Amino acid sequence: GAVVSQHPSWVICKSGTSVKIECRSLDFQATTMFWYRQFPKQSLMLMATSNEGSKATYEQGVEKDKFLINHASLTLSTLTVTSAHPEDSSFYICSAGGDYNEQFFGPGTRLTVL
Amino acid sequence: RKEVEQDPGPFNVPEGATVAFNCTYSNSASQSFFWYRQDCRKEPKLLMSVYSSGNEDGRFTAQLNRASQYISLLIRDSKLSDSATYLCVVGDIYTDKLIFGTGTRLQVFP
Repeated sequence: GAVVSQHPSWVICKSGTSVKIECRSLDFQATTMFWYRQFPKQSLMLMATSNEGSKATYEQGVEKDKFLINHASLTLSTLTVTSAHPEDSSFYICSAGGDYNEQFFGPGTRLTVL
Repeated sequence: RKEVEQDPGPFNVPEGATVAFNCTYSNSASQSFFWYRQDCRKEPKLLMSVYSSGNEDGRFTAQLNRASQYISLLIRDSKLSDSATYLCVVGDIYTDKLIFGTGTRLQVFP
């Protein structure tokens, strides 16, 4: 399958700071990328769908002004958690869309907000 | 009602056992079905796609019953390395979205 990387793999920050997470598809061009969040012992929850060159589509209940998504190229999407608070601490995972609903997942970014 | 429901487990089984996981989904328009495996603090990895005709990959067999909106995964001859959380995933080919179940935890012991 395709390779997707995320950076950083983990981050600890103070409350009120902004954190940027990068998601790269390394060996193919991804028109669509997805951002998920997973809290402990819970399912992956889709936050938004990111399409190259256009605005992201956010799921219900996800604040677009707090979770800024940019998909400027076919190999890079970024998620910026603005003014992070402890309740934003979670495991953030991106994926790149392939054919027939297949998605290739990045290794995830563990965010801890103090 | 959750869109994808699974028994969270844990299922604790000895090596060599056969174990089966079930999953139900609520959207009858769902078009694609998968089982993913997720290890602790890692990303999910695709285990297998699930087809109406059923499919088998080594020790793993997946079945889909569209009429009952039910998906299953059978693992034969369990190995210690099979210990993980198994995620039932349903996809919509029109939106490209995947809906994840909460997962079923499997622990295989020696």
